[in-house]
Amino acid sequence: DVKVTQSSRYLVKRTGEKVFLECVQDMDHENMFWYRQDPGLGLRLIYFSYDVKMKEKGDIPEGYSVSREKKERFSLILESASTNQTSMYLCASSLFGTSGRARYNEQFFGPGTRLTVL
Amino acid sequence: GQNIDQPTEMTATEGAIVQINCTYQTSGFNGLFWYQQHAGEAPTFLSYNVLDGLEEKGRFSSFLSRSKGYSYLLLKELQMKDSASYLCALKRGGYQKVTFGTGTKLQVIP
Repeated sequence: DVKVTQSSRYLVKRTGEKVFLECVQDMDHENMFWYRQDPGLGLRLIYFSYDVKMKEKGDIPEGYSVSREKKERFSLILESASTNQTSMYLCASSLFGTSGRARYNEQFFGPGTRLTVL
Repeated sequence: GQNIDQPTEMTATEGAIVQINCTYQTSGFNGLFWYQQHAGEAPTFLSYNVLDGLEEKGRFSSFLSRSKGYSYLLLKELQMKDSASYLCALKRGGYQKVTFGTGTKLQVIP
């Protein structure tokens, strides 16, 4: 069973704080992703990584950074949290898929972290 | 860029059939996903279509027409537990990232 875990289900932080969200997967997947999900806006990609120390910007990277020092772990960092970063944050992982087969493309999601910035 | 359109909400009756449509515009199409997401939970994978046609998996089927930029998810014999959001998502060729639509919230009523 693929397992993607996130460090917290709920988190409350103050404006200006540095926030770390951790994600760990146990299936040796190359790809890892960070999304945020907001009502009416759906899932939006913040950053993704296809290998250790490699990262690519997603659609909304502003205000965020990431770190991938080990294959199984992908961290999302809010350098200075702001109220507009209050959201549900979802981590996902997948194999590096160049094949058209579903198992090489399916993303497995963690349970999510609901972050509130006051 | 990419543009994905899905209806925001749908209601259907238990035991019936419902079709959730997804239209898209993209360059370099690679494949189209459908995910299910129950309220407060993470999305879970339903299907991935690469070629045109219908793929059936139990009560769920997914259809793709690449020339029309169109897909649908068909749910048969609806059950109350099918009440969830259904997310259409695109993967572009040569890229590992996936772009999600805003999702269709399906309510199944008795």
